[in-house]
Amino acid sequence: EVQLVESGGGLVKPGGSLRLSCAASGFNFNYYTMNWVRQAPGKGLEWVSSISSSGTYIYYADSLKGRFTISRDNTKNSLYLQMNSLRAEDTAVYYCARDLHSSCDFDYWGQGTLVTVSS
Amino acid sequence: QSVLTQPPSASGTPGQRVIISCSGSSSNIGSNTVNWYQHLPGTAPKLLIYRNNQRPSGVPDRFSGSKSGTSASLAISELQSEDEADFYCAGWDDSLNGVVFGGGTKLTVL
Repeated sequence: EVQLVESGGGLVKPGGSLRLSCAASGFNFNYYTMNWVRQAPGKGLEWVSSISSSGTYIYYADSLKGRFTISRDNTKNSLYLQMNSLRAEDTAVYYCARDLHSSCDFDYWGQGTLVTVSS
Repeated sequence: QSVLTQPPSASGTPGQRVIISCSGSSSNIGSNTVNWYQHLPGTAPKLLIYRNNQRPSGVPDRFSGSKSGTSASLAISELQSEDEADFYCAGWDDSLNGVVFGGGTKLTVL
């Protein structure tokens, strides 16, 4: 059974940092592009970042460049999101998602981890 | 303001057919495939349609997708109360070099 389990969320002050993790199981993790998607309270889904199966190709939403860093460890079946210089508007539930065909068709999602940026 | 434009709300009665539109441009829908997601608050989003009109296994054939030019649509026939959710279109944008989502459409079954 495919499972994606996020962790690392929590309360952080503006300007602080947080590292999210996503533990994958039940499939060949190193075959798939992986993504982070977030949903702020009362808002819609917003794509954050994508990393190819080998980690060669990395993409970010324009609004996040320079503050967030996506990475993966295929030996540990894990996806990461390092978030720096956090702002109140980064408050959201963060989901990791598997990209079925590397064409933005996210067929499996985790349950999400809540990040709250507040003083 | 989302790159892909969806109506904020849609509604129908049980048994009806509802269509949700998604409007984009030549850099996204016009040149890449469209995917649709169903999202209930507090749960993980669910892939409903991929590559414009393909259904993952387990998704009822009441759900169908289509694309024409720079627009796409999701049709839900034989509407059921459990279909109430938020629906999002999404796809790759060549100009932004990233994934773009529509703003979401809240479907209400009256």
